[in-house]
Amino acid sequence: ELKVEQNPLFLSMQEGKNYTIYCNYSTTSDRLYWYRQDPGKSLESLFVLLSNGAVKQEGRLMASLDTKARLSTLHITAAVHDLSATYFCAVGPVYGGSQGNLIFGKGTKLSVKP
Amino acid sequence: GAGVSQSPRYKVAKRGQDVALRCDPISGHVSLFWYQQALGQGPEFLTYFQNEAQLDKSGLPSDRFFAERPEGSVSTLKIQRTQQEDSAVYLCASSFRTGVTDTQYFGPGTRLTVL
Repeated sequence: ELKVEQNPLFLSMQEGKNYTIYCNYSTTSDRLYWYRQDPGKSLESLFVLLSNGAVKQEGRLMASLDTKARLSTLHITAAVHDLSATYFCAVGPVYGGSQGNLIFGKGTKLSVKP
Repeated sequence: GAGVSQSPRYKVAKRGQDVALRCDPISGHVSLFWYQQALGQGPEFLTYFQNEAQLDKSGLPSDRFFAERPEGSVSTLKIQRTQQEDSAVYLCASSFRTGVTDTQYFGPGTRLTVL
């Protein structure tokens, strides 16, 4: 059974600081996604990572993937208040499973304070 | 352009009532997914359609849950004889193809509260 673990689950940061959110998954998978969710809103796709060593950056967020370690990281650089949200990583199914569903972590609730 | 839409956005049901939740995917998207998100948790997979075919329903928690997509576009998730544990946000997502690289785009969700 594919399991996805994120840590930390809660993160309170000061503006201007850097931090990293970690996402570990238990078995081989095709792809890894990072989503953002604001309170009461739906999930917004941030990144999709498809291969070992993949790195993607958008603004103050950078995501990377190490398939050998089954680990993805979401690095936040010089945090600003607008980044406050819950961040989910999600992993595609193992080979032989459904082509569809994603397995989500529990999410990391990020709060950026002045 | 238009994204995934869901209706109603909020639904309050008395225990034992039947409810129907609607999802309009992005036009042309082949794949459609339903997820259940409990408070403070990540979404959990319920079921998956490729066009009108329901290819995976392994996540449906009981036989009270039923989903359909008869014409390969709009989908309805029906919950019969609702129970309090069914209270959650139900998210619909769609993707253009069935390939492993395709991003799933999520709708705003329907928040179901069972009293």
